[in-house]
Amino acid sequence: QSALTQPASVSGSPGQSITISCTGTSSDVGGYHYISWYQQHPGKAPKVIIFEVNHRPSDVSNRFSGSKSGNTASLTISGLQAEDEADYYCSSFTTSVYVFGTGTKVTVL
Amino acid sequence: QVQLQESGPGLVKPSQTLSLTCTVSGDSISSGGYFWNWIRQHPGKGLEWIGYIYNSGSTYYHPSLQSRLTISLHTSKNQFSLKLNSVTAADTAVYYCARARGFGEFFQHWGQGTLVTVSS
Repeated sequence: QSALTQPASVSGSPGQSITISCTGTSSDVGGYHYISWYQQHPGKAPKVIIFEVNHRPSDVSNRFSGSKSGNTASLTISGLQAEDEADYYCSSFTTSVYVFGTGTKVTVL
Repeated sequence: QVQLQESGPGLVKPSQTLSLTCTVSGDSISSGGYFWNWIRQHPGKGLEWIGYIYNSGSTYYHPSLQSRLTISLHTSKNQFSLKLNSVTAADTAVYYCARARGFGEFFQHWGQGTLVTVSS
């Protein structure tokens, strides 16, 4: 089970929208709807921001949204804010094993 | 509100056994259909899932760690634990415990993480 592929870094100015991709295979991302996204600030534990591709926990801002097409899942952050600067990881469940993405560092310019 | 807290030695010698405990508060570890997981993060690197245990005691481990790994449930103490044998420097990481909402589902609650360094 190889790690899912994410861009190493994405940046944007406050108010802009950015999208982070998460590419896997038909055996993981393409084959399951258990795709989730996690936000991790430095020195903190990850926090789920999207689950089951496009569902958002009640305490997460609606500026975060998820989608999936084929073997690639995507996380979009709209109206970028300074507090969104963090690392982001996707995750997929496949044949009893979880696999994470390589991680993306989001920088707010 | 469910809370998880990792505990254990921060320093382990090479070839020895790494032992960590996750204490759960705010809910019974025996209730519901939750899966109790261990996840680690090597310094400056990404997340790596280690394994999970269900409240029935059934487990599933990452294939690359399976031969060295044991995850156990301690229901009377509302805890679950991790034991990783024959550690090397490559096992140095922050170890997190986390609860998944169901089989294959997302990690809903996380502990704060604990750094374990493997060094002589």
